[in-house]
Amino acid sequence: GNSVTQMEGPVTLSEEAFLTINCTYTATGYPSLFWYVQYPGEGLQLLLKATKADDKGSNKGFEATYRKETTSFHLEKGSVQVSDSAVYFCALSDRNRDDKIIFGKGTRLHILP
Amino acid sequence: DARVTQTPRHKVTEMGQEVTMRCQPILGHNTVFWYRQTMMQGLELLAYFRNRAPLDDSGMPKDRFSAEMPDATLATLKIQPSEPRDSAVYFCASGYLNGDTQYFGPGTRLTVL
Repeated sequence: GNSVTQMEGPVTLSEEAFLTINCTYTATGYPSLFWYVQYPGEGLQLLLKATKADDKGSNKGFEATYRKETTSFHLEKGSVQVSDSAVYFCALSDRNRDDKIIFGKGTRLHILP
Repeated sequence: DARVTQTPRHKVTEMGQEVTMRCQPILGHNTVFWYRQTMMQGLELLAYFRNRAPLDDSGMPKDRFSAEMPDATLATLKIQPSEPRDSAVYFCASGYLNGDTQYFGPGTRLTVL
């Protein structure tokens, strides 16, 4: 079945550091891929998405590229801020199967000033 | 700015009591999802609806949990009787049929003593 594996946290970085959070997936079809972010005390919200191979999703300085050959969708940001401290979830959906989204376990990110 | 709303935001109850959580999906959305989030298990899908019809509730403990959509503007999740292990944050999310983005509510934090 479909699944998502992302790096375990917590990840602690200093402000302005470069961020990478790794995510790989297993899927039988052609899924859409997502990164969701959860700020403290809030629900998840969509950060970015990509719907086909080689697409790049981007938002708020974050980027991720849909790599079919390596089944990966790594999240990157060139210069993180304290306000980026949150939990990040990699996820996939396969509309040919159903409406469900499969979420990874989440990676907690701490940014130190 | 349309949002998913959930009530109550916090609930403290004693073991054995009935708990009802409510969700108002975004107007026009026709898929609704219930999730549970705990530190140990992460984010778990409990149930989901398409056009108000329950499609999958395999993630719910059937003997005590029930989920319904009495109309298009209201989804409910009930626990009867509640147990301490049900303590968690419960999220509702909604989306469009054949869309691939889910919009999350702020969650209900449930504590069962």
